[in-house]
Amino acid sequence: QKEVEQDPGPLSVPEGAIVSLNCTYSNSAFQYFMWYRQYSRKGPELLMYTYSSGNKEDGRFTAQVDKSSKYISLFIRDSQPSDSATYLCAGGIGLTGGGNKLTFGTGTQLKVEL
Amino acid sequence: GAVVSQHPSRVICKSGTSVKIECRSLDFQATTMFWYRQFPKQSLMLMATSNEGSKATYEQGVEKDKFLINHASLTLSTLTVTSAHPEDSSFYICSARDVAGSSSGANVLTFGAGSRLTVL
Repeated sequence: QKEVEQDPGPLSVPEGAIVSLNCTYSNSAFQYFMWYRQYSRKGPELLMYTYSSGNKEDGRFTAQVDKSSKYISLFIRDSQPSDSATYLCAGGIGLTGGGNKLTFGTGTQLKVEL
Repeated sequence: GAVVSQHPSRVICKSGTSVKIECRSLDFQATTMFWYRQFPKQSLMLMATSNEGSKATYEQGVEKDKFLINHASLTLSTLTVTSAHPEDSSFYICSARDVAGSSSGANVLTFGAGSRLTVL
C-alpha cells in the first residue's frame, strides 16, 4: 500500500465549478500535509500546507484534513481554466520528528473547461 | 519568495555518457536539497537528500554510484547521472528548504522547474 494515495484523474469540470481533490494516507506519523500544483513540464509549486484536522482557507482554495480517517482534501471554488494542472498532495514529518521528507501522491490531473 | 533554479531544463544525450544537472537556490541558503525523479503520470519519487558539506543520503534502491550528488555550497547542488542509459530517461526535479525554514518545522520546499533527460 502506498503511503499516500491519490486518484490520478483526469478530472474535467466546467469553468466556475467547485473542485474537490482528495487523498488518503496510511502513515500516522505524518504531522503536516501539503498541496502542490504542477503545470505540465514544470516543477511543483506550493499551494497550501496544514497541520491539524480542520479547514484552512486561502482565497479560492480550502485545504481540509481529517486525521481520524486519514483523509485530506483540496477544494477550489470558482475554478478557472488557469487552474488546469496536476495537483499533488503530500504528507510530511517535521524536522524535530526525526525526518524531513515529503511523501507525495501520484497527483490528480485537473482540466477546467470553458 | 524563494526561487530555485534548475539547469538544464532539457538534455538529450547518448547512452553511456554522463549528464550533470544543477540546482541553485537563488535568494536563500539551503543546507539541504532534495532530488526527485518523476515518470509520466506518476508521483515524485525521492532519490536522495543532498546535504551541504557532507555525503548525500540516498533512498533505498537508488544507486549512489549511478547518481552522484555534490552539494558544495549553500546555494548549489548537482546531480550527475553517470553512464546514462535509456531507462534513466525521466524528469528530474530538485527542491530546497530555506535554512530559515518554517518556525513550525514544516518542510516547506521550493521546487525547481525540473530537467527532462532523454537518453538515446
